[in-house]
Amino acid sequence: SAVISQKPSRDICQRGTSLTIQCQVDSQVTMMFWYRQQPGQSLTLIATANQGSEATYESGFVIDKFPISRPNLTFSTLTVSNMSPEDSSIYLCSVALWQEDTEAFFGQGTRLTVV
Amino acid sequence: GQQLNQSPQSMFIQEGEDVSMNCTSSSIFNTWLWYKQDPGEGPVLLIALYKAGELTSNGRLTAQFGITRKDSFLNISASIPSDVGIYFCAGHGTSGSRLTFGEGTQLTVNP
Repeated sequence: SAVISQKPSRDICQRGTSLTIQCQVDSQVTMMFWYRQQPGQSLTLIATANQGSEATYESGFVIDKFPISRPNLTFSTLTVSNMSPEDSSIYLCSVALWQEDTEAFFGQGTRLTVV
Repeated sequence: GQQLNQSPQSMFIQEGEDVSMNCTSSSIFNTWLWYKQDPGEGPVLLIALYKAGELTSNGRLTAQFGITRKDSFLNISASIPSDVGIYFCAGHGTSGSRLTFGEGTQLTVNP
């Protein structure tokens, strides 16, 4: 497995502002992902963070709203831009050790509240 | 996209009882995973299944990959209070597809 650290663990933000969430892994990993978990809901994949290139976004998520960086094999950031109360969720970083991302491991999540 | 139907949505049991939850899909999955999420934490991988018919245990937990490749179940034996949490099934469909998650089963264990 891998140890995944996310920062911040929680934040309360004003609407219209942006928040950048950091994900640091203790070893090099092939695949990194960002998920959103709305209150009381399951996990929804936002995008796959690709090292050295633009992230691959799932349907319903766009780069302007959720820009993602992945400068190397151990680090990624997710920015939630121009926030509204509907963006209040838990955002989770996930990694897979192999190309097929068969087993995914998760960070502890960032609990975001937009007021 | 592919969907997973997880049931039950919630369970309230007494300490010591056994628990069973399952996931079904209308399409074939190549991998089944079971996660547990505690409040304020990310999901933790409990069991991974890779072959149809595979039965795997992890302590008091047992999970099986259905022979049709369209379902999986998780059993917890002799439940204890720390088993409380949300259990998610997840799976990979076709090769290269991303993980699909079930809606979760909220487990409450009364001492």
